Amino acid sequence: DQQVKQNSPSLSVQEGRISILNCDYTNSMFDYFLWYKKYPAEGPTFLISISSIKDKNEDGRFTVFLNKSAKHLSLHIVPSQPGDSAVYFCAARGTNTGTASKLTFGTGTRLQVTL
Amino acid sequence: NAGVTQTPKFQVLKTGQSMTLQCAQDMNHNSMYWYRQDPGMGLRLIYYSASEGTTDKGEVPNGYNVSRLNKREFSLRLESAAPSQTSVYFCASSVWPQPQHFGDGTRLSIL
Repeated sequence: DQQVKQNSPSLSVQEGRISILNCDYTNSMFDYFLWYKKYPAEGPTFLISISSIKDKNEDGRFTVFLNKSAKHLSLHIVPSQPGDSAVYFCAARGTNTGTASKLTFGTGTRLQVTL
Repeated sequence: NAGVTQTPKFQVLKTGQSMTLQCAQDMNHNSMYWYRQDPGMGLRLIYYSASEGTTDKGEVPNGYNVSRLNKREFSLRLESAAPSQTSVYFCASSVWPQPQHFGDGTRLSIL
C-alpha cells in the first residue's frame, strides 16, 4: 500500500517556466512533509519542507503548498533552470516516530528542464 | 565535511554470498537509517537506529541485519544474498527534528 504517491513519473518544462510537481498521501498521521532532489549517482539532498500547521513554505525559487483536506502537496519551481533537472522525491513523516525521523517516500518524479 | 560516507560504492555478489555495507557519519547525528531504492518503488526503509544502542525494523527488513557499532557507524549485512536484493542502498543520518542527510549510495548486484 503506497502511502505517498507521485503519479507523474516524469515532467518536462522549458527553462524559465514554472515546474509543478505533485504528491498525494493517504495517512492522516503524517504531520511533516519534505521534498528531496536527487541527481544520478548521488544521494538525495534535502530541498524544502512544510509542517502540517502551515499551508505554504517558500525558499527562493522553491515553494511547497500543502492542502491537508485533500491530502495533497505540490512543489513549485519558478523560474525553472537546467540545473533543476533531477528526480524529485516527496516524503512524509508521522507523529509517532519518537526521536527518529522515519520517512515514507514517494516513487519520484523525473524533471527535465529544456533550453 | 564528508557528511555520510558509504562503502563500497559498487559490489557484485553471487547468490548465497554474504556482504556487509558500511556507513559512517561525521555530523554527530543520533539517528541513522538504511534504505533501498528500486525502479518505480522510491526509497524504502530497511532498518533504522534512533540512537546508539538501538535498532528497529523498517518497511522491508527481511533478509537483512544491522549493527549500530557506535554513534558514527551503522552497518547493513546480507547473510545470504538473493537476486531480489539487487538494488541501490542508501544510508542516512539525522538529528531530531532536522531532515535526513544521505550518502551517495552503494550499487549492489546479485547474480
